[in-house]
Amino acid sequence: QQQVKQSPQSLIVQKGGISIINCAYENTAFDYFPWYQQFPGKGPALLIAIRPDVSEKKEGRFTISFNKSAKQFSLHIMDSQPGDSATYFCAARVRGSTLGRLYFGRGTQLTVWP
Amino acid sequence: ETGVTQSPTHLIKTRGQQVTLRCSSQSGHNTVSWYQQALGQGPQFIFQYYREEENGRGNFPPRFSGLQFPNYSSELNVNALELDDSALYLCASSPGQGERGTQYFGPGTRLLVL
Repeated sequence: QQQVKQSPQSLIVQKGGISIINCAYENTAFDYFPWYQQFPGKGPALLIAIRPDVSEKKEGRFTISFNKSAKQFSLHIMDSQPGDSATYFCAARVRGSTLGRLYFGRGTQLTVWP
Repeated sequence: ETGVTQSPTHLIKTRGQQVTLRCSSQSGHNTVSWYQQALGQGPQFIFQYYREEENGRGNFPPRFSGLQFPNYSSELNVNALELDDSALYLCASSPGQGERGTQYFGPGTRLLVL
């Protein structure tokens, strides 16, 4: 059972455009939502993360929007660049867990055309 | 400060064999988590080690086992390999358990079972 559902599976955007990736969850015990970026042959790298007490977090060209009532969150990449071409994973972690286990979405393969 | 390293980078085994994968955690990190990433999927949590003890396991059979050493490096052992074990195995280290630790991933070991 996929605890975090991610869409779309793949995304093609022109350089300078906005890339939007969406995730949804059901478990209300989740309270930490990171996004990871993975390039071919590399492990996932933390990009940006949010907690449900805020509705938006921005770091440079990357923004997370969070809708607690809808149990949805999304990643927006502004002014997308060819170097942003990678696979993006959303994830979630249970509140108060001593384990810190991350539940990942299936990933979105982003291609930015020059 | 070195990041998380894993060895080997690639490995080919046949069904029924046993394999050992290794992970060196980032300096100052005492917690190591292992994930399995099948092709086109998000990482799936296998287990976590904290101060040399397993403190949580995902939905993986007992033939997946591990160790953590006093220097916090770790091994993942898989016995009786099956074709479905073919995947990228990721190690992630963090400076603490649960919410105290952002997980930093290594580049992974790609295992192919024939």
